[in-house]
Amino acid sequence: NAGVMQNPRHLVRRRGQEARLRCSPMKGHSHVYWYRQLPEEGLKFMVYLQKENIIDESGMPKERFSAEFPKEGPSILRIQQVVRGDSAAYFCASSPRDGYEQYFGPGTRLTVT
Amino acid sequence: AQKVTQAQTEISVVEKEDVTLDCVYETRDTTYYLFWYKQPPSGELVFLIRRNSFDEQNEISGRYSWNFQKSTSSFNFTITASQVVDSAVYFCALSGAYNNNDMRFGAGTRLTVKP
Repeated sequence: NAGVMQNPRHLVRRRGQEARLRCSPMKGHSHVYWYRQLPEEGLKFMVYLQKENIIDESGMPKERFSAEFPKEGPSILRIQQVVRGDSAAYFCASSPRDGYEQYFGPGTRLTVT
Repeated sequence: AQKVTQAQTEISVVEKEDVTLDCVYETRDTTYYLFWYKQPPSGELVFLIRRNSFDEQNEISGRYSWNFQKSTSSFNFTITASQVVDSAVYFCALSGAYNNNDMRFGAGTRLTVKP
């Protein structure tokens, strides 16, 4: 049973470009969470999704950031018009249902130049 | 509001020493989960333990042990006979038992074990 998969592992974007981060949850998991880790800091919750639904996006910046988890395919975190401050590690986690521990992917390290 | 505090930013020990990483939390939930994760230099997050707030028994797994004290809202992590491979950032985290979408992480403690 493969773990949570994220790709790409490293992503370099110039200011103003778009970044697309993908997350495939563990098999059988329908709950996906995205976190951001700024350098030398802990993880901060961004958004919680179930298939085709955003359940809680209280941690998402109001502009430029969006997330989806379609019926088929991976969850996508999209950052439009990236700025240097978006440089961070973005972790995805999945769980089989609410109230269970979250299993984390390896993260995508976004660098904005 | 939920909050996790890891007061120790960095700890440095010599191999074979015991080391304790502190974690203090705040929550209004009566039922909650506490976690420890390890983030080695490679960057991934490795799950170490989940503890339900109803279970205050201490837990030991090899060289790792956890001391959960509800009275002081602490969930400390001890590594016995530390090894160089234990060098990593360790995160303590808290979530509600029935609604864990808002998992709160501490800022992490960077442990360096020197040979």
